[in-house]
Amino acid sequence: GQQLNQSPQSMFIQEGEDVSMNCTSSSIFNTWLWYKQEPGEGPVLLIALYKAGELTSNGRLTAQFGITRKDSFLNISASIPSDVGIYFCAGQRGSNYQLIWGAGTKLIIKP
Amino acid sequence: KAGVTQTPRYLIKTRGQQVTLSCSPISGHRSVSWYQQTPGQGLQFLFEYFSETQRNKGNFPGRFSGRQFSNSRSEMNVSTLELGDSALYLCATRGDGTEAFFGQGTRLTVV
Repeated sequence: GQQLNQSPQSMFIQEGEDVSMNCTSSSIFNTWLWYKQEPGEGPVLLIALYKAGELTSNGRLTAQFGITRKDSFLNISASIPSDVGIYFCAGQRGSNYQLIWGAGTKLIIKP
Repeated sequence: KAGVTQTPRYLIKTRGQQVTLSCSPISGHRSVSWYQQTPGQGLQFLFEYFSETQRNKGNFPGRFSGRQFSNSRSEMNVSTLELGDSALYLCATRGDGTEAFFGQGTRLTVV
């Protein structure tokens, strides 16, 4: 089915590094959501964005709703071991209630 | 308030059998969506139910079906199981907003 273009697919980083990932689409979205999934569990909502240009933080996480409404970014500052997991973006367009999902970014922290 | 509850958490079935999975939404949530997630894969949308009606449907064969009851609880059924149906099945529920809240999933293994 439809998917957003989420990149990178995976990231290998050192503890303490900053992380950046993004989702892009050729279509305009009204809402962007960012989730984190740990092994064997369901995704957990991290941040929700509702307005173009909106910048929202949740602790060390910061997400932005792109001005064009076709993209969104998630940054994690000073990564720690518990940040490992798969991060998903999701968007909703117009009156279509179905959420469209990115393929996920797998975050791995090098020991 | 209680989160999304999926039962059972784990299930082992034989090829050719059928299986029914259950999802109890957060109180007040009328939308229930189902997703299939295979190892290393993203979230593949199966279908969404809202007020007992299927509102959206993904690209899965007819062996995958669902329903929703008047109390918003939903069930998903897979008939004639195949080895490739082994996956984590997730349900996500929504209230009036866009944000989806996930259950812990049901891990289905087909042998």
